[in-house]
Amino acid sequence: EVQLVESGGGLVKPGRSLRVSCRASGFIFGDYAMSWFRQAPGKGLEWVGFIRSKAFGGTTKYAASVKGRFTISRDDSKSIAYLQMNSLKTEDTAVYYCTRMDFWSAFYPDYWGRGTLVTVSS
Amino acid sequence: QSALTQPASVSGSPGQSITISCTGTSSDVGGYNYVSWYQQHPGKAPKLLIYDVSNRPSGVSNRFSGSNSGNTVSLTISGLQAEDEAAYYCSSYTNTTPVFGGGTKLTVL
Repeated sequence: EVQLVESGGGLVKPGRSLRVSCRASGFIFGDYAMSWFRQAPGKGLEWVGFIRSKAFGGTTKYAASVKGRFTISRDDSKSIAYLQMNSLKTEDTAVYYCTRMDFWSAFYPDYWGRGTLVTVSS
Repeated sequence: QSALTQPASVSGSPGQSITISCTGTSSDVGGYNYVSWYQQHPGKAPKLLIYDVSNRPSGVSNRFSGSNSGNTVSLTISGLQAEDEAAYYCSSYTNTTPVFGGGTKLTVL
């Protein structure tokens, strides 16, 4: 069974940093691209960024709203994806979801974690 | 402001069919077949319902179907059930990045 479990969320002050993790199980983690999405309280979904599998260079891409502040990485030996968030702003407050992207096109998040809440507030 | 436009809410009675529209431009839904739909129950993670405009992942009920026409894509739910009450989001790609609609709240009367 595919499982994605996020951790590391919490309350952080504006301008500070936070790293959230996503532990995967039930599939060959290294074969898949992984993405992060977020959802502000009472709002819709927003793509944050993704990281390709090593077979496709392990390259990353980010939404304009987080580019230069957020970094996605992966440790295939541990089946963990990370989202490093720096220079956090109040508007980054959201539930952050880790997702596995579909194998064939890597366009669609076919499995989602339950999410971890990040609150940015002074 | 979301990139794709969805109605804020729709409603229907059990057994009926409803359709949720999602309108974009030729740069997103009108230009690519990389359109997907997600269902989200309150407090839960989204679930992929439809991909490539009209394909269903394994395990998704055939009561859910997708279609497109020009710059608008649609999700139809037939044989409405109480468990279908949820928020529904459309998504497409533009400039190789995914964008979403603002979401539609489906109420089963």
